[in-house]
Amino acid sequence: GESVGLHLPTLSVQEGDNSIINCAYSNSASDYFIWYKQESGKGPQFIIDIRSNMDKRQGQRVTVLLNKTVKHLSLQIAATQPGDSAVYFCAENVMNRDDKIIFGKGTRLHILP
Amino acid sequence: GAGVSQSPSNKVTEKGKDVELRCDPISGHTALYWYRQSLGQGLEFLIYFQGNSAPDKSGLPSDRFSAERTGGSVSTLTIQRTQQEDSAVYLCASSITSGPQETQYFGPGTRLLVL
Repeated sequence: GESVGLHLPTLSVQEGDNSIINCAYSNSASDYFIWYKQESGKGPQFIIDIRSNMDKRQGQRVTVLLNKTVKHLSLQIAATQPGDSAVYFCAENVMNRDDKIIFGKGTRLHILP
Repeated sequence: GAGVSQSPSNKVTEKGKDVELRCDPISGHTALYWYRQSLGQGLEFLIYFQGNSAPDKSGLPSDRFSAERTGGSVSTLTIQRTQQEDSAVYLCASSITSGPQETQYFGPGTRLLVL
């Protein structure tokens, strides 16, 4: 399928290693954050979310960390697999004020064999 | 069950022509969102529907863009007098209700190329 985001920052990780994808957000009022995964030729897919009253949340093989002090969000993927190759987007929202989710520009994760 | 579907999957058109993009949301989802994704960019919000009404049209880039939703289901995004800068992937998403905490399920997108 057609590649999305040819000019995105790329993170290359050896298969089996852990991946850390970072995201900086600008709105200090944002209190809800989401990570999406977009494989080539497909629409984004929800991975995990976190509210601002938490600083860590774990899912299956994924962990999201939130540092409100420096407005930084990260997605950690354990034991990266070839199927993890995709573009990863962070998104933010100000709950109870706006229904819009604002997406970041994305990071391409490339898995090395 | 079926996910969000979009048609056509690819559309090539000439500058100045009108195009119509279609989105079939997941059955029972009352909220429907349209986004645009340009090369190297994130997702740009265009418009969302709650039922048949569009509370937020703020993302539509110009008056050449319009969208409608009928019967609380299918939505069409129309771009009139297309320009080359309209070339992008147009993504549709639906969720059970509106609100950021409702997971949005995305369709595969329509890839529009304006020559």
